[in-house]
Amino acid sequence: GQQVMQIPQYQHVQEGEDFTTYCNSSTTLSNIQWYKQRPGGHPVFLIQLVKSGEVKKQKRLTFQFGEAKKNSSLHITATQTTDVGTYFCAGTMIYNQGGKLIFGQGTELSVKP
Amino acid sequence: DGGITQSPKYLFRKEGQNVTLSCEQNLNHDAMYWYRQDPGQGLRLIYYSQIVNDFQKGDIAEGYSVSREKKESFPLTVTSAQKNPTAFYLCASHRAYSNQPQHFGDGTRLSIL
Repeated sequence: GQQVMQIPQYQHVQEGEDFTTYCNSSTTLSNIQWYKQRPGGHPVFLIQLVKSGEVKKQKRLTFQFGEAKKNSSLHITATQTTDVGTYFCAGTMIYNQGGKLIFGQGTELSVKP
Repeated sequence: DGGITQSPKYLFRKEGQNVTLSCEQNLNHDAMYWYRQDPGQGLRLIYYSQIVNDFQKGDIAEGYSVSREKKESFPLTVTSAQKNPTAFYLCASHRAYSNQPQHFGDGTRLSIL
């Protein structure tokens, strides 16, 4: 079936270290979205990537969409304690125009001060 | 202030009991979704609705039921047939048939007594 795999499941870093989470889809995606969920909270939208090979930056966060539109990554430079939470990628399959998202399993980031 | 309201925040279910989780939005969104979140498994789609009086099963619909009588409301009933209902339930909405990001409620945490 349709799957979006996300790794790693957990990542523990020292404050100031970099962090990367990766998503891979079994099928071509129309677009990919990234969400952040703080502990005890709900997912909050971060960004959407649509174009093949697209790269977008938000301060210390860099998002990439692969050339084949099957994979994506989120990289955080110099992590801070405010980055703690679970990061989800979510893709829309290219043949599904209804907007239904397939979520990855999420990467839980902890940052040690 | 527009948003999605889920209630209650915490809910306890007895054996053999049906319980209903409320989700209301005033964002004028056509599409609404119910997700279940378990530790380490990301968000799994239970049911979704793109328009009033219509809804579709998601990946894990067994043991759940929904209704969509009003655009603003998409209640989820967890029936006694759902043998493992303990989870965090999230409701989301967005413009139907679009790639607009989904807006999430604060969630309902359901536990078994």
